[in-house]
Amino acid sequence: SQQGEEDPQALSIQEGENATMNCSYKTSINNLQWYRQNSGRGLVHLILIRSNEREKHSGRLRVTLDTSKKSSSLLITASRAADTASYFCATVILIQGAQKLVFGQGTRLTINP
Amino acid sequence: DTGVSQDPRHKITKRGQNVTFRCDPISEHNRLYWYRQTLGQGPEFLTYFQNEAQLEKSRLLSDRFSAERPKGSFSTLEIQRTEQGDSAMYLCASSPLVGYTFGSGTRLTVV
Repeated sequence: SQQGEEDPQALSIQEGENATMNCSYKTSINNLQWYRQNSGRGLVHLILIRSNEREKHSGRLRVTLDTSKKSSSLLITASRAADTASYFCATVILIQGAQKLVFGQGTRLTINP
Repeated sequence: DTGVSQDPRHKITKRGQNVTFRCDPISEHNRLYWYRQTLGQGPEFLTYFQNEAQLEKSRLLSDRFSAERPKGSFSTLEIQRTEQGDSAMYLCASSPLVGYTFGSGTRLTVV
C-alpha cells in the first residue's frame, strides 16, 4: 500500500516559475527521498533528507521536512522544460539489512515553454 | 557497467502465458529489489535480495510470481499464467547499503 499522499496530483506551470510539490506520510521515518521519473522510464534519485534535518538544497532543488506534521515539500526553482516529469516522495522502511522504499502516488509536473 | 539494465524493455503477452524478466544490477551492489508500478501510481515493493538470498517478499507477490538471483548477480522475475491485472511497469533497482539505482523498467502488457 502507498505510504501517503502527494499534492497536487498534477501541476502545470510556465517555464521560469517555481514548482512546489508536497508529500505527507503516515509512519515515523529514518529519512525521506525524492525521485523523478520521466515518462515510461525508471526513477532517478534527486535528494535525501534525514529525519533530523529540516531543509536541504541541491542546485535548483530545495526540500523541507516537518516530522511533527509528517510532511515534506520539494521546491524546484526557475523551472525548465526539461523538468517535466513525475516526482515521487518515498519513505524508507528498514528491512533485514536493507531499505525498502514506500512511494507516494506522485505529482505530474508539466513545464510549459 | 554504468547502471542497472533490464530486459526486455517492453513485453506484450496473451493472458495465461508465462513471462520472465531479467535485471542486471550494478556489479558491486549486493542488494537487489523488484518493484511494480501501475499507471498513475507510485512503485510498490515486491521483493528484495541480498546476494543470492531472497530476504523479503511482499503480499503482492502471489504464488504466480517467482524471483531468483542464482549467483548473487543478475535476477529474474517470472510471472506464470499472466492475468490482465499484471499489466504494469516492473522496475529493478540495486544498492550498496544506502541509495538506490533504478533500471528503466520492463513494461508488461497482458492482452
